Amino acid sequence: AQSVTQPDIHITVSEGASLELRCNYSYGATPYLFWYVQSPGQGLQLLLKYFSGDTLVQGIKGFEAEFKRSQSSFNLRKPSVHWSDAAEYFCAVPNQAGTALIFGKGTTLSVSS
Amino acid sequence: KAGVTQTPRYLIKTRGQQVTLSCSPISGHRSVSWYQQTPGQGLQFLFEYFSETQRNKGNFPGRFSGRQFSNSRSEMNVSTLELGDSALYLCASSYDRPETEAFFGQGTRLTVV
Repeated sequence: AQSVTQPDIHITVSEGASLELRCNYSYGATPYLFWYVQSPGQGLQLLLKYFSGDTLVQGIKGFEAEFKRSQSSFNLRKPSVHWSDAAEYFCAVPNQAGTALIFGKGTTLSVSS
Repeated sequence: KAGVTQTPRYLIKTRGQQVTLSCSPISGHRSVSWYQQTPGQGLQFLFEYFSETQRNKGNFPGRFSGRQFSNSRSEMNVSTLELGDSALYLCASSYDRPETEAFFGQGTRLTVV
């Protein structure tokens, strides 16, 4: 069955430092993969998605993610973090029928000054 | 174009009561899915509707139900509320399937007392 693991529950990064959030997935075929961000009390905003093709995907707000089939990973990166990036980040894959998204438990990002 | 609208944003109900939440998807989108978000369980899929038909249902008791209207607007209902139903309920709108791209509303925060 499809599943998503985000190994880091909470990460703290200094403002201006680089960021990498980890995501590992279990999926029967080439997956669709998503990263969402959620600010406190808000809904989810799509940062980026991977369907096929280039394994390095660019998203909004300066984020990118790299799909690595051999490692079953889709890690999210940003070269320089801003205080406004503090939020919760979720990695997701669709279920087999494509009618639902399966989310990881999320990683909370704190940004220190 | 207008985003996904969920109403109400906040709700306080008493144990044993029932509640109805509403979701208006993005114009032209025919798929609406619902998720429950709690600190302990994370984001869990409730159900998905497409053209007024439920295509998929998550592992929730029968107290949780939903429907979709001909204009794609969707409602979910929870009967006989329990304290554990307190959560953020998120609705997502997709053109045809969540696996292609899902846009989330701000959510309805339900508190059961």
